Amino acid sequence: GEDVEQSLFLSVREGDSSVINCTYTDSSSTYLYWYKQEPGAGLQLLTYIFSNMDMKQDQRLTVLLNKKDKHLSLRIADTQTGDSAIYFCAETRNRDDKIIFGKGTRLHILP
Amino acid sequence: ETGVTQSPTHLIKTRGQQVTLRCSSQSGHNTVSWYQQALGQGPQFIFQYYREEENGRGNFPPRFSGLQFPNYSSELNVNALELDDSALYLCASSLAGTSGGETQYFGPGTRLLVL
Repeated sequence: GEDVEQSLFLSVREGDSSVINCTYTDSSSTYLYWYKQEPGAGLQLLTYIFSNMDMKQDQRLTVLLNKKDKHLSLRIADTQTGDSAIYFCAETRNRDDKIIFGKGTRLHILP
Repeated sequence: ETGVTQSPTHLIKTRGQQVTLRCSSQSGHNTVSWYQQALGQGPQFIFQYYREEENGRGNFPPRFSGLQFPNYSSELNVNALELDDSALYLCASSLAGTSGGETQYFGPGTRLLVL
């Protein structure tokens, strides 16, 4: 079946690193994504990784993929107050296929 | 800004009514997907339209229907509204058949409240 699981809440001090974890069940997943949603807003694609990659880094964002364990993580370095949002892990088999989302992890930044 | 627009931004309806939501895809995109995001949940796939035909459907009843027009814009219609239809409705556009991982670009959504 298709399922994406992630913890619902994460609290991090400003300046520290945030690590948001996600597991998925579909071994045919080809594309894995992280989206950000701020209050009252739509979805913003933060980054994505192909299933044949282990890691992708983009400025403060690092995505790690363990395909064997079907585990995806998003690390945000030097977390800032503007990073406060809900982060969705998502996967799809093909580029135009339906996207399967997790329930989202709410990131709370402590001063 | 993704270039995907949705209207209206907010809508209030009562149970039993019908609603039409609209989406204009990003220039050059020919595929539109619709998602429902209930409060506190992740978006769930409703259906996708490609070349004016339904091209995949999620676990939603037939009272959820759609259209895609020759300019690739799209409508989502929901009949006989129920309280549980209250949600943020997101559309996403993409260009089928191209390579790259840029995936689907989401619009800002329409927030529907059913009373």
